[in-house]
Amino acid sequence: GAGVSQSPSNKVTEKGKDVELRCDPISGHTALYWYRQSLGQGLEFLIYFQGNSAPDKSGLPSDRFSAERTGGSVSTLTIQRTQQEDSAVYLCASRLAEATQYFGPGTRLTVL
Amino acid sequence: DQQVKQNSPSLSVQEGRISILNCDYTNSMFDYFLWYKKYPAEGPTFLISISSIKDKNEDGRFTVFLNKSAKHLSLHIVPSQPGDSAVYFCAARDIITSYDKVIFGPGTSLSVIP
Repeated sequence: GAGVSQSPSNKVTEKGKDVELRCDPISGHTALYWYRQSLGQGLEFLIYFQGNSAPDKSGLPSDRFSAERTGGSVSTLTIQRTQQEDSAVYLCASRLAEATQYFGPGTRLTVL
Repeated sequence: DQQVKQNSPSLSVQEGRISILNCDYTNSMFDYFLWYKKYPAEGPTFLISISSIKDKNEDGRFTVFLNKSAKHLSLHIVPSQPGDSAVYFCAARDIITSYDKVIFGPGTSLSVIP
């Protein structure tokens, strides 16, 4: 498809387990963002990748969170030792130019 | 410390009437503003934007107004339709200190009543 895709769409895990969330950006988009939306909250910036530059990790809430982007395309957000407060919808967005970001459908993470 | 504020968490409007969604910001370095719409279980989709050099941008039923002196922008939807029911996020970019980062507000949930 032409849009941003994310997988899985839903993930239920037990507290303490690690999870990996995947994002496939729009082909050719050089910038990729991860956001988190907790229940009743706005979009919380997590991390940003631009080309081959070092990522902006300023939004990651703790060192349990990490992300990588391989080959300038697919990105994986990893959460280690998940906690219940990590439960949220994790959104990925990509951008080619200007400020318009195109979002994927999100991954709903539930930590029991 | 929210740089982009949407003080109305929700708004209800009758079909056919005007919907006005408000957004306030604190950072005077913001130069570009965007509105996104989000349906449940979907990612946000871009709706309309405005550069800080303009005070109005119109696209069909959607118009965004920017008042730089008041650090305020608003989205007008006329006429409102039931399909407009969604959460609307205001967002802003600071080109000077953070070219690529866009700050989102908390969102306003719009319900258009048939």
